[in-house]
Amino acid sequence: DQQVKQNSPSLSVQEGRISILNCDYTNSMFDYFLWYKKYPAEGPTFLISISSIKDKNEDGRFTVFLNKSAKHLSLHIVPSQPGDSAVYFCAASGGTGKLIFGQGTTLQVKP
Amino acid sequence: DTAVSQTPKYLVTQMGNDKSIKCEQNLGHDTMYWYKQDSKKFLKIMFSYNNKELIINETVPNRFSPKSPDKAHLNLHINSLELGDSAVYFCASSQDPGPSTDTQYFGPGTRLTVL
Repeated sequence: DQQVKQNSPSLSVQEGRISILNCDYTNSMFDYFLWYKKYPAEGPTFLISISSIKDKNEDGRFTVFLNKSAKHLSLHIVPSQPGDSAVYFCAASGGTGKLIFGQGTTLQVKP
Repeated sequence: DTAVSQTPKYLVTQMGNDKSIKCEQNLGHDTMYWYKQDSKKFLKIMFSYNNKELIINETVPNRFSPKSPDKAHLNLHINSLELGDSAVYFCASSQDPGPSTDTQYFGPGTRLTVL
């Protein structure tokens, strides 16, 4: 039972354009959502998070949007840079300390 | 200055052996975790310790035994290794497991290969 889903395994965008990564969840008890970025042979690095009481959180080039009614969140990267090329994981928590991860989306930003 | 470190980074061993992976965090966090990333790239939690006390124990075979000598260290010992144990194991830490706004920070991972 996959409670957090990232339906796009990969995404390719041109440098300078917007990257939009999507994530869906099924458990309405989740109240905290995070995005992690992962380079090959490294651990996931925390990128940005959002609490369920908000619908948007912004940090520099990264913005996360949360649509609770649709149980959907998205990560926007503007402008995209080649160094953003990595695997992006969406994760959700219900306050137990247990993070439930999606399967990841590989982003490739072309120069 | 590494926040969450793991040793070894790579571990190749034979079926049936016993091995350990070590994790240390210098963030002053109270809670540590072990995750497993399988061949399909899913990251799944295995265990969580808060101040040396086990608080999350997912359905993991009892061949896997976490040990926390102090709150800065959480080691993973695996007995009688099987082929299916081959995966990347990540250690993580966070300040407190309770609040939902708690962020977990991950180590670089240990790639375990069982032959």
